[in-house]
Amino acid sequence: GQQVMQIPQYQHVQEGEDFTTYCNSSTTLSNIQWYKQRPGGHPVFLIQLVKSGEVKKQKRLTFQFGEAKKNSSLHITATQTTDVGTYFCAGRDTGGFKTIFGAGTRLFVKA
Amino acid sequence: EAGVAQSPRYKIIEKRQSVAFWCNPISGHATLYWYQQILGQGPKLLIQFQNNGVVDDSQLPKDRFSAERLKGVDSTLKIQPAKLEDSAVYLCASSPGTGGAWSTEAFFGQGTRLTVV
Repeated sequence: GQQVMQIPQYQHVQEGEDFTTYCNSSTTLSNIQWYKQRPGGHPVFLIQLVKSGEVKKQKRLTFQFGEAKKNSSLHITATQTTDVGTYFCAGRDTGGFKTIFGAGTRLFVKA
Repeated sequence: EAGVAQSPRYKIIEKRQSVAFWCNPISGHATLYWYQQILGQGPKLLIQFQNNGVVDDSQLPKDRFSAERLKGVDSTLKIQPAKLEDSAVYLCASSPGTGGAWSTEAFFGQGTRLTVV
């Protein structure tokens, strides 16, 4: 069945450093979504990518969807302590109904 | 706009007991999801409803878990009997979309933290 893998599992950075998390699917996706979950909180939607090779930016966050629509990345420039949390990718299968979450990358930012 | 409401927030039960969780999605949202999130892992889809019909329940342990969405609005998830490995946060989410590549974001509730002892 469809699997979505995310790396790294954890990342410790100094405030001001950049951060990237990668997401890879075993099958071609119809879209991919990114969520952020603060410690003790629930996942909150960040963005959705649909088109092959799509790149979207939100302030310091840059999201990419691979040409083959099987991988994606989230890059944060100049991390801040408010960026702390776990970042999940969620890939929707080409049938269009099932969304599979990755295991997430937990980001720690040291001030 | 009111968010997804879930209750209870916390529940502690002994193994082999039964438990039920309730979810009230955002008004007008056609799709409702129940996820299980074990500590340190990503949310795992248990069941997905579109209106009051089941779209996907392939990962729902049907020998002990059941869910219903009456009238296409509120939903309940039940576990009977509970096992130790059911300890997790149960997240309900809703989405206005009905699927497909242009599906919209899922809005999550605060979750119910279940501890089975």
